Amino acid sequence: GQNIDQPTEMTATEGAIVQINCTYQTSGFNGLFWYQQHAGEAPTFLSYNVLDGLEEKGRFSSFLSRSKGYSYLLLKELQMKDSASYLCAVKDSNYQLIWGAGTKLIIKP
Amino acid sequence: GAVVSQHPSWVICKSGTSVKIECRSLDFQATTMFWYRQFPKQSLMLMATSNEGSKATYEQGVEKDKFLINHASLTLSTLTVTSAHPEDSSFYICSASLSEGTEAFFGQGTRLTVV
Repeated sequence: GQNIDQPTEMTATEGAIVQINCTYQTSGFNGLFWYQQHAGEAPTFLSYNVLDGLEEKGRFSSFLSRSKGYSYLLLKELQMKDSASYLCAVKDSNYQLIWGAGTKLIIKP
Repeated sequence: GAVVSQHPSWVICKSGTSVKIECRSLDFQATTMFWYRQFPKQSLMLMATSNEGSKATYEQGVEKDKFLINHASLTLSTLTVTSAHPEDSSFYICSASLSEGTEAFFGQGTRLTVV
């Protein structure tokens, strides 16, 4: 079966750095996405990785290792507004998005 | 990025009535749109894939007669929850991609409450 695993909840301090991991087992791979979702709102796109390596975009970076079926989202200089759920999703061989359950990130002052 | 507009943002309806939710791609043509349902504190659950000009493809366990999907044009897909019941209360979200392999753009979501 297809499976995406990510931690249920993480807590970090304002100004610090946090890494959210995601491991996946899917039938085929056509890219991995990270989305941010605030409570009661639709997800918003953060990053897309299809090749191995690190993609940096401002305070957010995303890493992918296809051989390990592993990705992480790195958030630097955390702000209170970063408190949200972070969803990892993989496009399988049929280009269908397989979603992780999301990681709730709690930022403390 | 591309814009997907979903309407209404929230709706309250009486049990037994039907509710229609619209999803529009405003600045691009979407051959395929996706409808998701999300329960509190849970991830997105794909309900169906909406294909322009043809019947929607429903995921296992989703009642196609209850959740009617119409994709009449390249910019509009609708989801109608028929004979709604309180257990249908949920957050419904649509999404569309410009092409395969690219990011999905989401509508704002519709919070449905059936009383």
